[in-house]
Amino acid sequence: GAVVSQHPSWVICKSGTSVKIECRSLDFQATTMFWYRQFPKQSLMLMATSNEGSKATYEQGVEKDKFLINHASLTLSTLTVTSAHPEDSSFYICSARDAGADSPLHFGNGTRLTVT
Amino acid sequence: AQTVTQSQPEMSVQEAETVTLSCTYDTSENNYYLFWYKQPPSRQMILVIRQEAYKQQNATENRFSVNFQKAAKSFSLKISDSQLGDTAMYFCAFMKGGTASKLTFGTGTRLQVTL
Repeated sequence: GAVVSQHPSWVICKSGTSVKIECRSLDFQATTMFWYRQFPKQSLMLMATSNEGSKATYEQGVEKDKFLINHASLTLSTLTVTSAHPEDSSFYICSARDAGADSPLHFGNGTRLTVT
Repeated sequence: AQTVTQSQPEMSVQEAETVTLSCTYDTSENNYYLFWYKQPPSRQMILVIRQEAYKQQNATENRFSVNFQKAAKSFSLKISDSQLGDTAMYFCAFMKGGTASKLTFGTGTRLQVTL
């Protein structure tokens, strides 16, 4: 079945630094990928929709300049948390979809970000 | 905007018993999909079952089945013959029809299967 690979699975960084998270569709092409954020014991909240070759669409309340999304190819989207702060510590999950309206979403394994 | 509500934060069931998780949603769309996802401690999101709104027949996947009531906007998940490995967070999710549609998740139900 379709596989979405997310890297790294966990990362620790210092305040003020930037962190890049990669999301790859391994055996299918994804024109659209989605980035979610999940706080402990809470649900997944959509941050942005990543569109190949164009700008990402951000959900209300998500800072575009803080969470940079790049979707330069049909198999790769990246999320960069810029100037990270402790409140950015969270679990970030990407998902992607095969072509076709009936295709299910496939999720990456997530990235646990800890900002010290 | 779509909303998904799961009114049971936590549920417990004994092994081999049956449990039903509730989910309601609100939408003005006619073409949409509903899902149940399982998130075990590993935090991997695993698709349990999905339902197309245009289908009247309730979806089933082995021990998992849904009760889809379109008029009532209700989408409950029934787990039969519960197993210890079913212990996880369960999220109900909604998606509009369309190739670039996003998932909207409920708040989740934590299911504990006990001996």
